[in-house]
Amino acid sequence: EDKVVQSPLSLVVHEGDTVTLNCSYEVTNFRSLLWYKQEKKAPTFLFMLTSSGIEKKSGRLSSILDKKELFSILNITATQTGDSAIYLCAARSANSGTYKYIFGTGTRLKVLA
Amino acid sequence: NAGVTQTPKFQVLKTGQSMTLQCAQDMNHNSMYWYRQDPGMGLRLIYYSASEGTTDKGEVPNGYNVSRLNKREFSLRLESAAPSQTSVYFCASSEPRRGNGELFFGEGSRLTVL
Repeated sequence: EDKVVQSPLSLVVHEGDTVTLNCSYEVTNFRSLLWYKQEKKAPTFLFMLTSSGIEKKSGRLSSILDKKELFSILNITATQTGDSAIYLCAARSANSGTYKYIFGTGTRLKVLA
Repeated sequence: NAGVTQTPKFQVLKTGQSMTLQCAQDMNHNSMYWYRQDPGMGLRLIYYSASEGTTDKGEVPNGYNVSRLNKREFSLRLESAAPSQTSVYFCASSEPRRGNGELFFGEGSRLTVL
């Protein structure tokens, strides 16, 4: 059975701290790993990672994938209160041309001023 | 740009009632998905459709049916609602062979079953 596990489940930090969010996966026919940020409504896309060891960056956020150990991390440096959200990772798999996305439970991040 | 549109945004049902959640996308995507989100559970895949005319079960399909009416529309039906189906439902679409395969989400539909 396909499985995506995120840790920690929740995290409270102060502004300026650096956080690392973890995502491990066991998915048949794995193709890529996606990260999303969810505030009040729909998740918004952050990154998609396909290759091991290649870091993707966007401002203070960065992410990397390890396909040998089956995990990814999302780093947020110099956190701000606006980073408070649920962070979701999803593993995308493919089977006979059909793609599906399996999500983890999410990490709820709260950044205190 | 409308993207993915879901209706209704809110609905309250009594146990045993039926209803259909509607979803439409205007991005010419082949793949569409229905997820439910419960506190502490992340997003769980209910059903998905790789293309018009095909549907597949996801992780939690029991109690639901779907219809891929055409390329744009993918509806989710609850035939006999139960309190355990109280949740926020998200429709999403993607075109995995184009761009980065990102999933695009609707705004969500909050369903309460009493």
